[in-house]
Amino acid sequence: DAGITQSPRHKVTETGTPVTLRCHQTENHRYMYWYRQDPGHGLRLIHYSYGVKDTDKGEVSDGYSVSRSKTEDFLLTLESATSSQTSVYFCAISDDARGRDTEAFFGQGTRLTVV
Amino acid sequence: GNSVTQMEGPVTLSEEAFLTINCTYTATGYPSLFWYVQYPGEGLQLLLKATKADDKGSNKGFEATYRKETTSFHLEKGSVQVSDSAVYFCALSRGGATNKLIFGTGTLLAVQP
Repeated sequence: DAGITQSPRHKVTETGTPVTLRCHQTENHRYMYWYRQDPGHGLRLIHYSYGVKDTDKGEVSDGYSVSRSKTEDFLLTLESATSSQTSVYFCAISDDARGRDTEAFFGQGTRLTVV
Repeated sequence: GNSVTQMEGPVTLSEEAFLTINCTYTATGYPSLFWYVQYPGEGLQLLLKATKADDKGSNKGFEATYRKETTSFHLEKGSVQVSDSAVYFCALSRGGATNKLIFGTGTLLAVQP
């Protein structure tokens, strides 16, 4: 199994509070991604990173920010949590994207509930 | 834009039945296609993939063929088991500088003994 650890695995937070989710990898992969999973929507990309301090927005980035100060860590921050951000969040990693069949490896997920 | 459409579930089958989960895609150029599986309480894991037209991906008895003429990548298995119960996601990637995956909505498969 790819070495990906998400923390925390479960969190309940109040509306309006900031929340940070952490993704840690031991594979030295270049690319890291944050997805959210919601019923009827599958997985949607929030933000991704293609190197240290290199990040970009995905399709559902509003209300989220990310940081990557080290290859192994990719942080997702909900600046002011809202109930619509209640979801399961997955981190994924992949290696050099010049290979078109590069596989993505996923973490176990973080279940976030905003009350 | 790029997108993936897969059949809605849940799909409920008896053990040893034949499985088909339909997946079609819209993309420019020649994407790579994937099937991921998510078992209860777990993250996604790659089931199979195909990188060019007419390629067949296979793993654990599952198969899918990359059909460019019909823009499809249907998942099949000849005889399902209870242990195959999971959510199955079809996905595509255009590769390039970011290798982003675009997912379908997922199909829940429930196999009954």
